[in-house]
Amino acid sequence: DTEVTQTPKHLVMGMTNKKSLKCEQHMGHRAMYWYKQKAKKPPELMFVYSYEKLSINESVPSRFSPECPNSSLLNLHLHALQPEDSALYLCASSPGRESLLPNQYFGPGTRLTVT
Amino acid sequence: QKEVEQDPGPLSVPEGAIVSLNCTYSNSAFQYFMWYRQYSRKGPELLMYTYSSGNKEDGRFTAQVDKSSKYISLFIRDSQPSDSATYLCAITTDSWGKLQFGAGTQVVVTP
Repeated sequence: DTEVTQTPKHLVMGMTNKKSLKCEQHMGHRAMYWYKQKAKKPPELMFVYSYEKLSINESVPSRFSPECPNSSLLNLHLHALQPEDSALYLCASSPGRESLLPNQYFGPGTRLTVT
Repeated sequence: QKEVEQDPGPLSVPEGAIVSLNCTYSNSAFQYFMWYRQYSRKGPELLMYTYSSGNKEDGRFTAQVDKSSKYISLFIRDSQPSDSATYLCAITTDSWGKLQFGAGTQVVVTP
């Protein structure tokens, strides 16, 4: 099973709201990722967690706050977003640093609209 | 210059034709090469991966890597309308961390 699940599928939020995106995998993967994807563009990496520790932050604004409560779960907390943050937010996982397999498996994404 | 170059298309082919997609890259340190398929408004799906020069076949799909030319290809034989999607190449230097994506090529297979 190579499934990564994400909730919610769709989210509409105002600029003053606080919301969270959730991601879950049960493949025993030790690396998890958040990406942002705009229409007709490739995914852009935001954060990488390796063994539940934040390893890469691609200079993402602080209004995006990631959290990795355990090896299967990844959250993205959203606060005071801007309309230009509207996008498809993708979660992915991969076996991790000690594996020779870099294959990242993506979830279906959360389509976020900021009004 | 981008690290990975990929023609965004669109590439339109008739059903049954061979679809040929490719990417070029600039960093010789890249050693892992992947192809993803993404349907509209869905997440990318891992199609093929390879870690060495040469060919790898999986059903109708063949992935090719030429490290000396820094060139990777994906061929889809006997294309079907259900193959209509955006195909992204993704390359990385290590087994975790950042994937460098190409721009993605939109493929349309017409019945």
